[in-house]
Amino acid sequence: NAGVTQTPKFRVLKTGQSMTLLCAQDMNHEYMYWYRQDPGMGLRLIHYSVGEGTTAKGEVPDGYNVSRLKKQNFLLGLESAAPSQTSVYFCASRTPPGYNEQFFGPGTRLTVL
Amino acid sequence: SQQGEEDPQALSIQEGENATMNCSYKTSINNLQWYRQNSGRGLVHLILIRSNEREKHSGRLRVTLDTSKKSSSLLITASRAADTASYFCATDAGQGAQKLVFGQGTRLTINP
Repeated sequence: NAGVTQTPKFRVLKTGQSMTLLCAQDMNHEYMYWYRQDPGMGLRLIHYSVGEGTTAKGEVPDGYNVSRLKKQNFLLGLESAAPSQTSVYFCASRTPPGYNEQFFGPGTRLTVL
Repeated sequence: SQQGEEDPQALSIQEGENATMNCSYKTSINNLQWYRQNSGRGLVHLILIRSNEREKHSGRLRVTLDTSKKSSSLLITASRAADTASYFCATDAGQGAQKLVFGQGTRLTINP
């Protein structure tokens, strides 16, 4: 099993450009998450999904959109990138409550110039 | 806002010594977890302790939970250079424990 994979690993954007980050998991997990990690800030939840076709806002959702069309994939979109979105983005997945360990992807390092 | 706050923010010790990190949180929880993050990598789950547990062991890891003080500690015994990493506590939050809220982490450096 590959676990949780993220595409791309690195990306540089110019202000105003758009892009989509892809997260895929092969563990048949219901729940999936997108976080951003900034120096000294820990992980902050952007959006999450508790099942195919559902999404919900996290702590810092502004400027991002998500879609969960297939259970194994969770997409994070930036419609008009801003320098404040320069960060490392992590995707995670897990089974529903009762066993709450989250499995993380390797991260995507995004720089917005 | 952050639920978990780790202390200290950074810790540097000699190989073979024990390392203790603390986490405080604000609201009632169902469980608390600890994760490790090596530089440039994703987080890896270490251990979970439920709210009705006071202590849990896993190899060289020992976790305690004091729900009356809303705090937890992670002890790594006989530290090794490979333990150099950032360590985060995470608490469940929201209805049905759908989300985890992570602290800012403790950066642990093990000096050979």
